[in-house]
Amino acid sequence: EAGVAQSPRYKIIEKRQSVAFWCNPISGHATLYWYQQILGQGPKLLIQFQNNGVVDDSQLPKDRFSAERLKGVDSTLKIQPAKLEDSAVYLCASSLERHTEAFFGQGTRLTVV
Amino acid sequence: KQEVTQIPAALSVPEGENLVLNCSFTDSAIYNLQWFRQDPGKGLTSLLLIQSSQREQTSGRLNASLDKSSGRSTLYIAASQPGDSATYLCAVLTGGGNKLTFGTGTQLKVEL
Repeated sequence: EAGVAQSPRYKIIEKRQSVAFWCNPISGHATLYWYQQILGQGPKLLIQFQNNGVVDDSQLPKDRFSAERLKGVDSTLKIQPAKLEDSAVYLCASSLERHTEAFFGQGTRLTVV
Repeated sequence: KQEVTQIPAALSVPEGENLVLNCSFTDSAIYNLQWFRQDPGKGLTSLLLIQSSQREQTSGRLNASLDKSSGRSTLYIAASQPGDSATYLCAVLTGGGNKLTFGTGTQLKVEL
């Protein structure tokens, strides 16, 4: 079975620019997560979707970050405008249902200069 | 608010040693606990999932235990190999918002 797909793998942008990441979860997985992992730290949840509805976005910096999951499948995460402290790996994960095993993509490494 | 702690932060062992990684969490009302492996520059690979009703899970040389009441889990790696070198993360799925909360990881190096 295909895993969680993310693109791009790497992105370098200047501060104040905008950037978007894309995630395609495992087919049939209802739950989708976006995590931010800063170097040397554990992943931090940004937003969680159940189908196309938001379950938890309490740690999403909504003044600059946005995410959507149209049709309950693919998802995009956008940052506008980017700050230096947004440099991190952005991980997408999916699970079949709400209490089942989570599977992660390879992540997108963002560098803001 | 759930908090997850992993000890030690880093560990270096010679090849062939058996080792234990520790994970503790503050809120025992969890659905499950997952152990992940992360290689440099890569995503997370799921190693073991323990449901809240289970005490342990085994996969090859890996054994994970869960003591929900005390808020602890251990990952036991038998006969370590250089290929086991990676960062190991534990994560707990907590009720309410079904949030998956991670620890900061243990960076393991297995030397020849």
